[in-house]
Amino acid sequence: DSGVTQTPKHLITATGQRVTLRCSPRSGDLSVYWYQQSLDQGLQFLIQYYNGEERAKGNILERFSAQQFPDLHSELNLSSLELGDSALYFCASSTTGTPRSGANVLTFGAGSRLTVL
Amino acid sequence: GQQVMQIPQYQHVQEGEDFTTYCNSSTTLSNIQWYKQRPGGHPVFLIQLVKSGEVKKQKRLTFQFGEAKKNSSLHITATQTTDVGTYFCAGMGTNAGKSTFGDGTTLTVKP
Repeated sequence: DSGVTQTPKHLITATGQRVTLRCSPRSGDLSVYWYQQSLDQGLQFLIQYYNGEERAKGNILERFSAQQFPDLHSELNLSSLELGDSALYFCASSTTGTPRSGANVLTFGAGSRLTVL
Repeated sequence: GQQVMQIPQYQHVQEGEDFTTYCNSSTTLSNIQWYKQRPGGHPVFLIQLVKSGEVKKQKRLTFQFGEAKKNSSLHITATQTTDVGTYFCAGMGTNAGKSTFGDGTTLTVKP
């Protein structure tokens, strides 16, 4: 158990639908990151939050949105789903401080596997 | 933007053979990290390199950071079946607050 909790583990839905993926970061970590991993693909960075505020944005579609709440958990909302959105969605968290102190080391959750039919 | 290239994409070896994956950045890096993702699993942090020319070892794994801090390598000596998985490098630029992942090298080991 990495300490990063993601729910649900598996989700099957239809095209056009909307889903919400949830992430609880490791205790004490203020940063949350979302990554998308399609079948046999690399990790595509979607978005980062730090202590409730958006810190960095990657290749996140306009149909996708995310937020980090005061208790530091985060949600990734995926709407108007398409077949190509089927993927493994990882949440990761990191602590604060300088890179030398390991602040940007990512701890990943087990992922949420989304299947769009 | 910053790009991180990783080669090879796939590597198939016989158990006992060595394995190396290379990571190259389009820009100078502040630091580089390596992660391992087992089949069906999630990426797990292995190591972070910060200094120019740094070399770190973890048992059979040797990690290097280039002198110019634009490239890195991971070398596994005498691979074992437990080494199978995808190895990712992640480089942090000097101005960026996040790391950019390479596409990973998937290692398979034939017993």
